[in-house]
Amino acid sequence: ELKVEQNPLFLSMQEGKNYTIYCNYSTTSDRLYWYRQDPGKSLESLFVLLSNGAVKQEGRLMASLDTKARLSTLHITAAVHDLSATYFCAVDIFSGGGADGLTFGKGTHLIIQP
Amino acid sequence: DVKVTQSSRYLVKRTGEKVFLECVQDMDHENMFWYRQDPGLGLRLIYFSYDVKMKEKGDIPEGYSVSREKKERFSLILESASTNQTSMYLCASSLSFSGDIKLGGYTFGSGTRLTVV
Repeated sequence: ELKVEQNPLFLSMQEGKNYTIYCNYSTTSDRLYWYRQDPGKSLESLFVLLSNGAVKQEGRLMASLDTKARLSTLHITAAVHDLSATYFCAVDIFSGGGADGLTFGKGTHLIIQP
Repeated sequence: DVKVTQSSRYLVKRTGEKVFLECVQDMDHENMFWYRQDPGLGLRLIYFSYDVKMKEKGDIPEGYSVSREKKERFSLILESASTNQTSMYLCASSLSFSGDIKLGGYTFGSGTRLTVV
């Protein structure tokens, strides 16, 4: 059974600081995703990481993937209030018929204070 | 812009009612999924479908069924709603993969918040 663990589950930080969210998964996976969710809203795709060593950056967010360690990180640089949200990592596995769906971590609730 | 549309944003139903949650995508995606999201538990997969008339159980299928009569539409059915099915339900779709080319990601609908009283 594929398991995905995120930590921390809750993070309160100040604007301007840097921090990293960690995502571990239990078995070999085809793809690693990061999503953002604002309160009462649906999921917004941030990054899709396909291969070992993949690194993607968008603004103050940078995601990386180490498939050997089964670890992905989401790094926040010089945080701003607008980045306050819940962040999910997820992985999926393909079988013969197609994608078997995403398995999600429990999410990291991030609050960035002025 | 690609879209996954869930027909209702909020629903309130009574215990024992049969409930239909509808999801339509306009991207010609092969795969469609239903998740429920609960505080502290994250998102959990209920059912998914690779193709028309095909369905596969996810992690928590008990108390639910699905229907996929057309490629663009995937319905989640609560046969007899219970209070423990009060939750946020999210539909998603994705392309399948072809050979060695893994295409695209998942697109999520805006969610249906279901309350069973």
